[in-house]
Amino acid sequence: GEDVEQSLFLSVREGDSSVINCTYTDSSSTYLYWYKQEPGAGLQLLTYIFSNMDMKQDQRLTVLLNKKDKHLSLRIADTQTGDSAIYFCAEPRDDKIIFGKGTRLHILP
Amino acid sequence: DTEVTQTPKHLVMGMTNKKSLKCEQHMGHRAMYWYKQKAKKPPELMFVYSYEKLSINESVPSRFSPECPNSSLLNLHLHALQPEDSALYLCASSLIVTGTSYEQYFGPGTRLTVT
Repeated sequence: GEDVEQSLFLSVREGDSSVINCTYTDSSSTYLYWYKQEPGAGLQLLTYIFSNMDMKQDQRLTVLLNKKDKHLSLRIADTQTGDSAIYFCAEPRDDKIIFGKGTRLHILP
Repeated sequence: DTEVTQTPKHLVMGMTNKKSLKCEQHMGHRAMYWYKQKAKKPPELMFVYSYEKLSINESVPSRFSPECPNSSLLNLHLHALQPEDSALYLCASSLIVTGTSYEQYFGPGTRLTVT
């Protein structure tokens, strides 16, 4: 298909790890992005991965890329209440960025 | 300075009003974007400017009129809007526009309500 796919909702206990999954469409995408949007705010570029990498780690964030399956994941270690937001997976296409529908991360106490 | 600013934060306008949304960046980016975002949906691209020239118009109705006066500023002029145009309007910028894209940096948005 032509859509960037994500599950719509994820619920995680505070302190556990969150894993947000995404399936993208274009195997030639050079970069893949994760954006975070908190309620009432704009989008914040959280991290990105270059397509020649399998993994990128940045503090509590780990991005895994499986190019064969066109699968991208974002792992947030030690999830905190401030991580509550919508997370958008995105890929570039024809001078645009194509966003997934977003995964709403809900933190349980 | 890695910030994209947008004014106003909130705007309420009637269907006969004319108003403008403003966006500014000082990162030296030469590509700027307008997006519309409805609640619980991803942003939808409206316009792309590259080197102050309109390069992409995603079939947006003419009641939305973009303008890029210089490389740091992007405006969106609004006229005769409909209630269904109520949404969060996001501005973004990137270093340049290419086929593989560069990461885009977003402003906080203008929450528009059309009454």
